[in-house]
Amino acid sequence: DAGITQSPRHKVTETGTPVTLRCHQTENHRYMYWYRQDPGHGLRLIHYSYGVKDTDKGEVSDGYSVSRSKTEDFLLTLESATSSQTSVYFCAISAPSGDTGELFFGEGSRLTVL
Amino acid sequence: SQQGEEDPQALSIQEGENATMNCSYKTSINNLQWYRQNSGRGLVHLILIRSNEREKHSGRLRVTLDTSKKSSSLLITASRAADTASYFCATAAGNKLTFGGGTRVLVKP
Repeated sequence: DAGITQSPRHKVTETGTPVTLRCHQTENHRYMYWYRQDPGHGLRLIHYSYGVKDTDKGEVSDGYSVSRSKTEDFLLTLESATSSQTSVYFCAISAPSGDTGELFFGEGSRLTVL
Repeated sequence: SQQGEEDPQALSIQEGENATMNCSYKTSINNLQWYRQNSGRGLVHLILIRSNEREKHSGRLRVTLDTSKKSSSLLITASRAADTASYFCATAAGNKLTFGGGTRVLVKP
């Protein structure tokens, strides 16, 4: 299994509080991604990173920010959580060669915003 | 918006039967990938087919790609109860993978 660890795995928080999810990899892969998974929507890309301090937005980036200060860590922050951000969040890594290759996924972080 | 759309949304078959699911997409792609997700787990990569390939096999999996129709199919032969999962197609363009909504497959023993 690819060395990807997400933390926390489960979190319940209240509307308006900040939340940070962490993704840690031991594979030294260049690309890291944050997706959210909701019933009826499949997986939707929030943000991704193509190197240290290099990040870009995905299709559902509003309300989220990311940071990558080290190759191995990619943080997803909800500055002020809302109930619409209740979801399962997946981190993924990839080491593409020329085009987007295989993604390796973490086990997910289930976030509930009350 | 989803680039890939799977069909059917759900599929129920008997063990030993074949399972076929389809994926349609809208824009040009570099490659198309299929993933499996068991309940409560992360996605696992199954197979990747490049835009210049038409068919690919991996064990009991067969994937086809028709770029003129912007569609792909995944065939699982001789299904087993352990194949019960959700299956997602994902289209690659640039540095991003865009996933469809998935097909839930139930294989009954």
